[in-house]
Amino acid sequence: DTAVSQTPKYLVTQMGNDKSIKCEQNLGHDTMYWYKQDSKKFLKIMFSYNNKELIINETVPNRFSPKSPDKAHLNLHINSLELGDSAVYFCASSQGISTDNEKLFFGSGTQLSVL
Amino acid sequence: GESVGLHLPTLSVQEGDNSIINCAYSNSASDYFIWYKQESGKGPQFIIDIRSNMDKRQGQRVTVLLNKTVKHLSLQIAATQPGDSAVYFCAENFYNTDKLIFGTGTRLQVFP
Repeated sequence: DTAVSQTPKYLVTQMGNDKSIKCEQNLGHDTMYWYKQDSKKFLKIMFSYNNKELIINETVPNRFSPKSPDKAHLNLHINSLELGDSAVYFCASSQGISTDNEKLFFGSGTQLSVL
Repeated sequence: GESVGLHLPTLSVQEGDNSIINCAYSNSASDYFIWYKQESGKGPQFIIDIRSNMDKRQGQRVTVLLNKTVKHLSLQIAATQPGDSAVYFCAENFYNTDKLIFGTGTRLQVFP
C-alpha cells in the first residue's frame, strides 16, 4: 500500500519528445508537489497544488505543465524534452499548512533520461 | 535569498560511533525544519522535524538541534549503523507557506 506512487520509475526518451509522469497519493492529503533532483542530488521544488489549484510555480519553463484532475493526483507533462531535463523527478504530498503539518511524503522518483 | 545547507559533503563514521550532520539556513522567517534521509534509488524519507519555538527535539536514536541565533540546524545520530548510510537533507519551511526548501545534502558513509 504505497502512500505516494509515481509511474514510470524509469523513462528514457529522445530530445524533442513529449512525455508524462503520473502521481497518485492515498493519504488524503490536500497538497501535492513536484520536485526535481539533479545529478548533484540537489532537490528543487517545481510546483505545488492545493486541492487541484496551483499554489507554487518556481519559474519552471512552460514546457512543463502539471495537471491535477483531483486532489489525489498530480501528473507532470513535459513537452519538447531537452537534454537538461534529465533528472530524477519526485512527487510528494502533505496535509498542508492549514493543518499545521507541513511534513512531505515522497514517492520513489522517476528517473528521466533524455538522449 | 533561498539558501539552505552546504555543497554536498561526505561524512564517514565507524559503526557504533555517533554522527553529527550540520546544516546552515539563511531565511530567518522559516519556522519549521525537517531532516530527511534518502537511500540510493529511493525518495527522501522523513526522519525528524522541529519548529522554531524549540531548540531541541529527540527521536529514536536521532536528535535535532536548532540554533536560531546563527541559523544552524544539526542532526545527531547515536550509535550509527550501516543502515544509516544515505544522503541526509535538511529542509526549511518558509513561514505560512507550503514551500519546503531543501539543502544540498550530506552523504553519510558508515564503515564496519
